[in-house]
Amino acid sequence: RKEVEQDPGPFNVPEGATVAFNCTYSNSASQSFFWYRQDCRKEPKLLMSVYSSGNEDGRFTAQLNRASQYISLLIRDSKLSDSATYLCVVNRYKLSFGAGTTVTVRA
Amino acid sequence: DTAVSQTPKYLVTQMGNDKSIKCEQNLGHDTMYWYKQDSKKFLKIMFSYNNKELIINETVPNRFSPKSPDKAHLNLHINSLELGDSAVYFCASSQEVGWDYGYTFGSGTRLTVV
Repeated sequence: RKEVEQDPGPFNVPEGATVAFNCTYSNSASQSFFWYRQDCRKEPKLLMSVYSSGNEDGRFTAQLNRASQYISLLIRDSKLSDSATYLCVVNRYKLSFGAGTTVTVRA
Repeated sequence: DTAVSQTPKYLVTQMGNDKSIKCEQNLGHDTMYWYKQDSKKFLKIMFSYNNKELIINETVPNRFSPKSPDKAHLNLHINSLELGDSAVYFCASSQEVGWDYGYTFGSGTRLTVV
């Protein structure tokens, strides 16, 4: 079983829409959680950390459910510039990545 | 100022050759990593060094040998390159091992073995 299983998408949404996707992780001892964003042919960049209480960063909301070992990301009011692959990442002495969810926002 | 820099950016080479990729970080971080991203876009850790000491060595063929001359540099040497080694190799760094605030990645080295 992969350490991080992620909804692969693709999600193809119009500008202004809300899109949400999630991932699950297998190691209950994982200590920190992140969403990274990767644009085509670029390096992954940290989008936001994810906390059990849920956290927001502008139009992005992340949620962590430790009991279910489940992480989610919601993007409100999608912009064209949100088109990217979103990587679910868990940390226990090393970052383990999901395979990514591709989001395409169309005009 | 580039935080994590890798060279070369692109590398095209023939099967059987030996090649090296270099990585340097100017963030003052203690820990550095090599990740491999294959054609399916899956990022997988290969090695991690903390203060020049190897701390993570995933199941990687021993044709791959990392070297850390100091904590700001982590190089990757690959012997006898094979077609399956074609991938993007990312270097990354973090403040310390198990750092809870994410890693900083270099822009990647796209290796093509022909």
